[in-house]
Amino acid sequence: QLVQSGAEVKKPGASVTVSCKASGYTFTAYYIHWVRQAPGQGLEWMGWINPDSGATNYAQKFQGRVTMTRDTSIRTAYMDLSSLRFDDTAVYYCGRGQKSFDPWGQGTLVTVSS
Amino acid sequence: DIQMTQSPSSLSASVGDRVTITCRASQGLRIDLAWYQQMPGKAPKRLIYAASTLQSGVPLRFSGSGSGTEFTLTISSLQPEDFATYYCLQYNSYPLTFGGGTKVETK
Repeated sequence: QLVQSGAEVKKPGASVTVSCKASGYTFTAYYIHWVRQAPGQGLEWMGWINPDSGATNYAQKFQGRVTMTRDTSIRTAYMDLSSLRFDDTAVYYCGRGQKSFDPWGQGTLVTVSS
Repeated sequence: DIQMTQSPSSLSASVGDRVTITCRASQGLRIDLAWYQQMPGKAPKRLIYAASTLQSGVPLRFSGSGSGTEFTLTISSLQPEDFATYYCLQYNSYPLTFGGGTKVETK
């Protein structure tokens, strides 16, 4: 099971951190992927983190603005997104898996508003 | 980036209908494709991976087929709980990319 942090409202230019707490399995055995979905839109893959090594792989679109980290002691992965823009308003999901992923967290709504 | 073209973008169907959704990839994926179902306000749920392997717990009316650049998700007999949006995901190469989605609505 993956449980995400609560909704956030941020101003343009700010940063946001979304957490994803894992339970019920060996946290370091599976990558954590991050995917976002703008209101009424489709799904967009952002990247993954390997909780075992800390290695990351980010989509080019988010390079320089996204940072994925983890804390194995509390079985939690984090996704930081900086320099927020209005079009970063979306539901952000984490998902467990090596290639495709399942299950997903419940989603975290991040609203960017002035 | 691999482009995933999903069709149709929406369809109207009745309970009991056979429903087919297609994803075409801009380059070959072998069988590195998954299908997801998303209910309104919920996280997606994986139905199929490796193009045709049914996720544990998913009803047998769902099936996937294809390889290379063309893939199909079939619902053999649509049930009331199947009205949802469906997405394909290619995981053959980075960045991972999703199809645009197919919304299955009641006729």
